Amino acid sequence: GAGVSQSPSNKVTEKGKDVELRCDPISGHTALYWYRQSLGQGLEFLIYFQGNSAPDKSGLPSDRFSAERTGGSVSTLTIQRTQQEDSAVYLCASSLVGGDIDNYGYTFGSGTRLTVV
Amino acid sequence: GQNIDQPTEMTATEGAIVQINCTYQTSGFNGLFWYQQHAGEAPTFLSYNVLDGLEEKGRFSSFLSRSKGYSYLLLKELQMKDSASYLCAAMDSNYQLIWGAGTKLIIKP
Repeated sequence: GAGVSQSPSNKVTEKGKDVELRCDPISGHTALYWYRQSLGQGLEFLIYFQGNSAPDKSGLPSDRFSAERTGGSVSTLTIQRTQQEDSAVYLCASSLVGGDIDNYGYTFGSGTRLTVV
Repeated sequence: GQNIDQPTEMTATEGAIVQINCTYQTSGFNGLFWYQQHAGEAPTFLSYNVLDGLEEKGRFSSFLSRSKGYSYLLLKELQMKDSASYLCAAMDSNYQLIWGAGTKLIIKP
């Protein structure tokens, strides 16, 4: 696609429920990143996928968080047994690694605003 | 460790010039990026420097000194719409971006 697409754009869920957030990266981008951003705060790295390599999960805050990337394209971030502190904007970004250096910058999706009540 | 430092907040006047500084420490270096993020929106790409010197792009310019681990973003002829957070990010040897916390720029009339 022309840009990074995330869905849903907004999600309100009850504490204890599971949620799935979806990211559809730019076609051909080999790298995909998930970040979390709380109001007025910086980007918090969650997980990174690059091609067929094992993902870098070092940023996942707890074992309630997991992510998959199927077929090297679409990614799903799953949060189990949501807590109120999970409320934030979840941003996905993709990039082309291994090509022209000028293309290495990240392109972000519009994010999913998650509210846990 | 890897670290990016930039001021938390800056205030400037419409029509003026402002310089946002950033220092970085990364494992390897493959370039310095600046992104703009308006409130409630995703970050958008502004500039990329990999060689020392100044890159000018309209009202925005970005400077890099690799020996000093230092960059700045220069915004000229400030407009109210420039009120946003400006994120500095350095790309490490694994081609991953290490992000600063962002500088919130407030423009006053």
